[in-house]
Amino acid sequence: QKEVEQNSGPLSVPEGAIASLNCTYSDRVSQSFFWYRQYSGKSPELIMSIYSNGDKEDGRFTAQLNKASQYVSLLIRDSQPSDSATYLCAVNSESGNKLVFGAGTILRVKS
Amino acid sequence: GAVVSQHPSWVICKSGTSVKIECRSLDFQATTMFWYRQFPKQSLMLMATSNEGSKATYEQGVEKDKFLINHASLTLSTLTVTSAHPEDSSFYICSARAGGPFDEQFFGPGTRLTVL
Repeated sequence: QKEVEQNSGPLSVPEGAIASLNCTYSDRVSQSFFWYRQYSGKSPELIMSIYSNGDKEDGRFTAQLNKASQYVSLLIRDSQPSDSATYLCAVNSESGNKLVFGAGTILRVKS
Repeated sequence: GAVVSQHPSWVICKSGTSVKIECRSLDFQATTMFWYRQFPKQSLMLMATSNEGSKATYEQGVEKDKFLINHASLTLSTLTVTSAHPEDSSFYICSARAGGPFDEQFFGPGTRLTVL
């Protein structure tokens, strides 16, 4: 079983819609959760971090964490074509010293 | 967010030569830096964890004698690919951990290595 799992996609949504990206993780002791955006040919960019159960909002992005169910999600409201990218979910390892990344979900926003 | 730079952004070299890549945290001190490699259309692969003033910790399957890592200061880590071969051609990306309670990692822009 992979430590961090994401649907590879592609997830296609129309411009202006809400994109919902999901991630599950296996390590119950993980405390830190991150979402990175990676455009083709570029390095990952941190867009959200979340540490407590519940929702965290930042502009058009909302991260949701449910530690009991071991999932974390990212909602992108009013999706734009510029949001088209691969979104990586990352969870800190048991030792806390490194991040474990999912394989990423490809998001395509169609205008 | 915190800024991490990498140099060079791209490099082309001949097979058998060595290439050094620098990673710098510009506006924060990073006690820990990480080196990743990414092949086209594949996931990030962690190569090693670099702690300032100590030896790097390499992931399983990564040759420490081929990928030399030095973390000489709180703002600089270097990766040297020794005796590079075409199969080492890849996108090498560093990240730096800002520390503190939030433990966020910030990535550099990456270095694209092509070995002829």
